Amino acid sequence: AQKVTQAQTEISVVEKEDVTLDCVYETRDTTYYLFWYKQPPSGELVFLIRRNSFDEQNEISGRYSWNFQKSTSSFNFTITASQVVDSAVYFCALIGDYKLSFGAGTTVTVRA
Amino acid sequence: AAGVIQSPRHLIKEKRETATLKCYPIPRHDTVYWYQQGPGQDPQFLISFYEKMQSDKGSIPDRFSAQQFSDYHSELNMSSLELGDSALYFCASSARTRNTGELFFGEGSRLTVL
Repeated sequence: AQKVTQAQTEISVVEKEDVTLDCVYETRDTTYYLFWYKQPPSGELVFLIRRNSFDEQNEISGRYSWNFQKSTSSFNFTITASQVVDSAVYFCALIGDYKLSFGAGTTVTVRA
Repeated sequence: AAGVIQSPRHLIKEKRETATLKCYPIPRHDTVYWYQQGPGQDPQFLISFYEKMQSDKGSIPDRFSAQQFSDYHSELNMSSLELGDSALYFCASSARTRNTGELFFGEGSRLTVL
């Protein structure tokens, strides 16, 4: 079975605060890929990051950073110094055994 | 660079009508996925194709059918439309054979059933 869980349904922060989105996954595959997507109000899915199961190196891209811990099956996403433009729904996803599973999404609202 | 192309971007239909959505994957991608995202929901997997054959099936209603053609584009056919079919439909493509984890989504087709 394959499953992605995003425990936080909604997060509301004030601009410049940091926000961390949790993602926990389940899979029996030894090779798999994890993703984070951003879905702004306009609806499209914006690719943020892809990480394969053999690469546990954390990554930072501007204000975004990701913490992949295979031991806890987690792939958390942090937005540092959040901005109003970060307001969106964020989805964590996993592709393993050629099946793509999404988490339920976390709605992030950044208030000015 | 070429991306996944979906058409039409917006579609308005009446109940009981038929709709067809098209998806053109990234060149050399051999796998296509279809997802349905209702308002406030996460994308739900409908169906996938690998090398023009159906490879996996999710929560796709019997009123829906899909296929992948020789040029790898895919079409999702929806008949006897219901109000609840109003959703954003995403297509994604990947290169399963190369197993690189590449996965790209189209911008989605928004279907409104009146």
